[in-house]
Amino acid sequence: DGGITQSPKYLFRKEGQNVTLSCEQNLNHDAMYWYRQDPGQGLRLIYYSQIVNDFQKGDIAEGYSVSREKKESFPLTVTSAQKNPTAFYLCASSPYLGESNYGYTFGSGTRLTVV
Amino acid sequence: EDQVTQSPEALRLQEGESSSLNCSYTVSGLRGLFWYRQDPGKGPEFLFTLYSAGEEKEKERLKATLTKKESFLHITAPKPEDSATYLCAVQALSFSGGYNKLIFGAGTRLAVHP
Repeated sequence: DGGITQSPKYLFRKEGQNVTLSCEQNLNHDAMYWYRQDPGQGLRLIYYSQIVNDFQKGDIAEGYSVSREKKESFPLTVTSAQKNPTAFYLCASSPYLGESNYGYTFGSGTRLTVV
Repeated sequence: EDQVTQSPEALRLQEGESSSLNCSYTVSGLRGLFWYRQDPGKGPEFLFTLYSAGEEKEKERLKATLTKKESFLHITAPKPEDSATYLCAVQALSFSGGYNKLIFGAGTRLAVHP
């Protein structure tokens, strides 16, 4: 079945450490997105990419970085510059940027905790 | 500023007790409004897209409606398996030619008890 796979499901980060969250899709979608979800808040856009080797900052990109070397993959690195990284991170995709007639397809998320 | 507000934050229902969830929005130009269901520890699952005032969509016990300022998700005779967080999102038109991004509300946590 086609879908989005995020790994790991749970991730623990020490102070000053960079960590990378994986996102892989086999839907042949051009566009991919990273969102952050905190209790009591709506999903907030971190980065998005409409095509391989192209990505743009979203609303809360500070302290995060991404790459898009393959169509299927859009990993997110949470750097030590992100001072409050504890959150639930969601990766999503759509056939092309902004196309959402059938909604974005989301992965099952990675819960990141600072220890 | 584009904004989406969902109410109530949490709703507890008895099985079979129908109710509605509200999503009010303020955007400069609406391209579409979306409803998602999210189970604990999982990603959101797409339910409906609505594009214009007066439009309605149905799926099993759920019906979504849209006006110029808000959307309702009506749940008829809910069952315990309908318990989840329901998210509303609005796609706003980008007049600068950029990406028509989704703006999400904080969600309504629904608990249906037998």
